[in-house]
Amino acid sequence: GIQVEQSPPDLILQEGANSTLRCNFSDSVNNLQWFHQNPWGQLINLFYIPSGTKQNGRLSATTVATERYSLLYISSSQTTDSGVYFCAVEQRLITGFQKLVFGTGTRLLVSP
Amino acid sequence: DAGVIQSPRHEVTEMGQEVTLRCKPISGHDYLFWYRQTMMRGLELLIYFNNNVPIDDSGMPEDRFSAKMPNASFSTLKIQPSEPRDSAVYFCASSKRTKDYEQYFGPGTRLTVT
Repeated sequence: GIQVEQSPPDLILQEGANSTLRCNFSDSVNNLQWFHQNPWGQLINLFYIPSGTKQNGRLSATTVATERYSLLYISSSQTTDSGVYFCAVEQRLITGFQKLVFGTGTRLLVSP
Repeated sequence: DAGVIQSPRHEVTEMGQEVTLRCKPISGHDYLFWYRQTMMRGLELLIYFNNNVPIDDSGMPEDRFSAKMPNASFSTLKIQPSEPRDSAVYFCASSKRTKDYEQYFGPGTRLTVT
């Protein structure tokens, strides 16, 4: 099956710093999502981005499908950005939908 | 929209007992997914439904696990009998496949089996 690797596994930032999280995947995909799992465990949708670039406030994401990677940018980080960031990809087979495969996540801690 | 609703939020039970987790998907969504999150295995798909029909249950760990979706607005995941290794957070998610494939997750049920 498809492999999803995220880097770095852990990241510690000072409030106000910028960061880039990376997601590499081993095969072509039809869907890629970025999630933020907050300290209370809730999985929050950040981006649905199978290709191209999107921005939402201080966050932006870019997926280069042909090169099989996606990047999540966090600018001017805040303590509320702390948590685990997951990349998840879906690879559709000829039979139809294929399961969403999650990476192992990047654990981010933003200190005041 | 209220989002995906799960109940209970926390469940503590003794080994051997039956556990039932509940999920209400977002109205109008035609796909429903059950995931399990553990430290060892991360987030993994257990089963998913399309229009209330189970499509792929290959992720269900064993026969002790069963899932049903009697109608478009309700699904259950049952574990009988429960074991300590079933302790995990169980998420339900839903999506609507007419436009894109974005999945939306519920708050999860934290299950502890002692």
